Amino acid sequence: AQKITQTQPGMFVQEKEAVTLDCTYDTSDPSYGLFWYKQPSSGEMIFLIYQGSYDQQNATEGRYSLNFQKARKSANLVISASQLGDSAMYFCAMREGRNTGNQFYFGTGTSLTVIP
Amino acid sequence: GAVVSQHPSRVICKSGTSVKIECRSLDFQATTMFWYRQFPKKSLMLMATSNEGSKATYEQGVEKDKFLINHASLTLSTLTVTSAHPEDSSFYICSARGPYSRADTQYFGPGTRLTVL
Repeated sequence: AQKITQTQPGMFVQEKEAVTLDCTYDTSDPSYGLFWYKQPSSGEMIFLIYQGSYDQQNATEGRYSLNFQKARKSANLVISASQLGDSAMYFCAMREGRNTGNQFYFGTGTSLTVIP
Repeated sequence: GAVVSQHPSRVICKSGTSVKIECRSLDFQATTMFWYRQFPKKSLMLMATSNEGSKATYEQGVEKDKFLINHASLTLSTLTVTSAHPEDSSFYICSARGPYSRADTQYFGPGTRLTVL
């Protein structure tokens, strides 16, 4: 089974609007971390936001927030007030367990295009 | 945030030659680094986990004799693609486990685009 599933290969959003990028995960480990990364056309992977499995509140970082629904095993990324510079690939990732050397599992990504 | 560099950013080589890619953590020590491969419009595929001072751990299906990994210091890991062939052309990205933080995220290098002619 896929550890991370991103079902939206491509998304479009009007500038200044909000957009939600979907991510579901699969793990039996009670301790895990969820991450979102942005990859612009230049190729670099930019860390956006983190949610720990024991966190009670949804993570927020500026215009990024993570809608964490543990029972549904979903960790959707919400980008508010979209900007043209937000156009990029977005990857959801998970690290299982507490071992900080554990590998990350990545989803297949969502290509976001912000329309002026 | 923590910075990871990769060198070179782009390399074009002839089939049969070897190519070395360097991954450096610039402002922190990284006991663990990861090497990924990414095909166009695809996700990152973990190739190997590189631990300083020990042998790398390769993922299933990755040829350790073809993709040599050396993590000689706490700030440098190298990936050598030996006897490169056109099918090895890809985008290679390294990452390093950053300085301790609650998120304990990985910090990624800018990637190396390898083209084998």
